[in-house]
This record gives sequence, C-alpha cells and structure tokens, in this order.
Amino acid sequence: DVKVTQSSRYLVKRTGEKVFLECVQDMDHENMFWYRQDPGLGLRLIYFSYDVKMKEKGDIPEGYSVSREKKERFSLILESASTNQTSMYLCASSSTTGAFNSPLHFGNGTRLTVT
Amino acid sequence: RKEVEQDPGPFNVPEGATVAFNCTYSNSASQSFFWYRQDCRKEPKLLMSVYSSGNEDGRFTAQLNRASQYISLLIRDSKLSDSATYLCVVNPLTGTASKLTFGTGTRLQVTL
Repeated sequence: DVKVTQSSRYLVKRTGEKVFLECVQDMDHENMFWYRQDPGLGLRLIYFSYDVKMKEKGDIPEGYSVSREKKERFSLILESASTNQTSMYLCASSSTTGAFNSPLHFGNGTRLTVT
Repeated sequence: RKEVEQDPGPFNVPEGATVAFNCTYSNSASQSFFWYRQDCRKEPKLLMSVYSSGNEDGRFTAQLNRASQYISLLIRDSKLSDSATYLCVVNPLTGTASKLTFGTGTRLQVTL
C-alpha cells in the first residue's frame, strides 16, 4: 500500500511566521501535489512537482512556495503565514506510469490554524 | 462554468436504499475519471476508477457518458458506513504531470 505521511496533524501558528509542511511518500512516485481544502470550495491545487527539483504552480500558489530536493519528499512553505491560510492541507502523490489512469494517494492532512 | 460540478447534497437515504450521484465535466478531452470517498475530517481515498464501458465493484457501479460529459456513481443496498462525501475527479490532460481536477463533493447520509 502507498503511504503518504504528513509531518503534523495539527499546527497552530502566528501571523507572519514562516511555516513548513512536510510530506513523504514511500512508493517512488514521480508526481507530488499540495492541496488545500476549505468548506464549500473543495480541494484546490497549490503546487505540484513531477520530478526532483521541478515544480509547477497550481491554481492558488500565491503566498506559498515548495521544495523538492528528494524524490520522496515535497515540502510546502508559507513564507509569512496569514489568517486566510488557515485550512486543511493535503499532500498527495501519483505515479507517472499509466499517468492517465493513475490516481492520487493522499496523506492524512495537516489542519493549520493561523492566529 | 466549473470544470467539474457536483450536486452538494446532502442526500439522506435509509439503509438499504439505492442512491445515485452525477458529476458533469466541461473539458471534452478529459482522459480519466475517478470517484473518491472522503469521511469527515479525513483524507480522500480512491473509491473506484471509471472506465468507458462502466464498471462495478460490489455494491458500487460507475458509469461514463462522454457524449453528455458526465459520470455517475450508483450505490445499491446502502449501509450506514457509506455515509461520506463522494468526490468526482477528472484528469483534464493538461500537461507534463497528471493534474486531477476535483468536484466539491456530494454528501451522503445513510440513516436507520
């Protein structure tokens, strides 16, 4: 079974702090993704990566950056946290092999509260 | 028009009922389709892929209608444990990586 692990289940940070969310997958997947999920808005893609050191902006990249130094690890960085970044953050991975039919495998999420 | 649209529900059904959800997508070039299930405060998990000819997995049946650009999920003999939000997911085939697009989900509540 694919395992995607997010480093924290719950986080509380202050406005202006730099926040790191870490995600590790153990299935040698090429693609990794960061989403946020908010009530009524569903999942929105922040950034994704299809290879080490590669990244592409998703639909809502403003206020975020990412890092992928190793294939198994994809980090989301909030440079200066703001209250509107309070959300559930979900990391996911997928394989490129059979990409058209390759589903996403999610971590169990990090609920971030910015006060 | 949203890329992927779902009726948010909630669908309240008694145990044992049959219930169906539809999901429409806007990109006619979309290549692959999935249903995910998300329990309250949990991550989405793949329920089933949707194949062109339709496919079944136990009490769950998924269908694709490319002409009308929708997919459907049918749940027979509903169980209490089926209560969840069901997310429709579409691969619009946009670039170098698989970039799936999610609907906002349909909430199902199965009652005694």
